[in-house]
Amino acid sequence: QQQVKQSPQSLIVQKGGISIINCAYENTAFDYFPWYQQFPGKGPALLIAIRPDVSEKKEGRFTISFNKSAKQFSLHIMDSQPGDSATYFCAAQNDYKLSFGAGTTVTVRA
Amino acid sequence: NAGVTQTPKFQVLKTGQSMTLQCAQDMNHEYMSWYRQDPGMGLRLIHYSVGAGITDQGEVPNGYNVSRSTTEDFPLRLLLAAPSQTSVYFCASRRGDSDTQYFGPGTRLTVL
Repeated sequence: QQQVKQSPQSLIVQKGGISIINCAYENTAFDYFPWYQQFPGKGPALLIAIRPDVSEKKEGRFTISFNKSAKQFSLHIMDSQPGDSATYFCAAQNDYKLSFGAGTTVTVRA
Repeated sequence: NAGVTQTPKFQVLKTGQSMTLQCAQDMNHEYMSWYRQDPGMGLRLIHYSVGAGITDQGEVPNGYNVSRSTTEDFPLRLLLAAPSQTSVYFCASRRGDSDTQYFGPGTRLTVL
């Protein structure tokens, strides 16, 4: 049973549009919430991360929104570019162990 | 720095064979982990280590062994390969005082 539920499984967005990926968790002991980006044939790479005492974090075109009471967090990709086409994983960490969501494949159409 | 390296990149085994997936990092990271990635399931933690000589089980440890004799290396052993172990395996490492994990390029394993 996955501890982090991620949706949607895939999405298609036009260039310049906004991509939104949602994740939910149950374990309130999680204390670190990263997002990873993975290109085909490559290992995941850290994109952006947030701690539960912060409600939003922005780095360039990528923003994490965090709702501690709802136990949900989301990734927003603004002004989506073809180079953003990849699989995105949310994750949650407890006691130095990461639990991953199932992943979202994002396709940005030019 | 080479970062996290994994060998081999691809491997095909027959059921019942054994093999070792190699992982090495040159960043002097204390923490190292092994994950497997399967379609629709994300990455799942197999085993991890918080330092040389210290290992522990993750979410899906059955069928896998690990040891950590040096800071740099963290091999993953499959003793009796089964088709259910067909997957992509990723090794990761991080500093003890940081949450950022660095992943290797992966090993694609097929068990026939």
